[in-house]
Amino acid sequence: GESVGLHLPTLSVQEGDNSIINCAYSNSASDYFIWYKQESGKGPQFIIDIRSNMDKRQGQRVTVLLNKTVKHLSLQIAATQPGDSAVYFCAESIASGTYKYIFGTGTRLKVLA
Amino acid sequence: KAGVTQTPRYLIKTRGQQVTLSCSPISGHRSVSWYQQTPGQGLQFLFEYFSETQRNKGNFPGRFSGRQFSNSRSEMNVSTLELGDSALYLCASSFRDRANEKLFFGSGTQLSVL
Repeated sequence: GESVGLHLPTLSVQEGDNSIINCAYSNSASDYFIWYKQESGKGPQFIIDIRSNMDKRQGQRVTVLLNKTVKHLSLQIAATQPGDSAVYFCAESIASGTYKYIFGTGTRLKVLA
Repeated sequence: KAGVTQTPRYLIKTRGQQVTLSCSPISGHRSVSWYQQTPGQGLQFLFEYFSETQRNKGNFPGRFSGRQFSNSRSEMNVSTLELGDSALYLCASSFRDRANEKLFFGSGTQLSVL
């Protein structure tokens, strides 16, 4: 069911263009970050991760950039396709000895044909 | 390898009832965590289990409880349901109970409280 993202910021991108989704994280001690994609009626799906000792990591058509100075994370999707339409979340892992993730509120990506 | 399996997929209950949700993690994963997802609050952490022990708990009332079995399968229970408990409940598994572990999510149980 559609229970996600009724009040989310939305990014509309033309098919074939590049998409950039941004996330501000909360804790300067966080040392591990994940991007998730959530399609309607499904659970979040792992896309890519990055550790704090890196500032860039590339996957297939996706790149994550990490700026620890301003606590900012971005997900770049190259040649955006209709199947990329979904809600995208970032998650930070709090490196405090306890096992806990904090999720961003999410951004809805709409790919226009 | 099968993914995280959650049952039931949809559930409709009335106020005051109780509900039990089930989660089977990925084979070999010993850590299971539960999240509540609502449009207004996003993903909120409920609790996390590892080797049948609750290791971490979010800021939810005592009506929310859970447990983990020796085969790593987990259940969560919500008693005395309230309208505000309507949400998508997501289970996630990982190999270990540490930070920096990838979380793999199930498709969730959509709970509607009438």
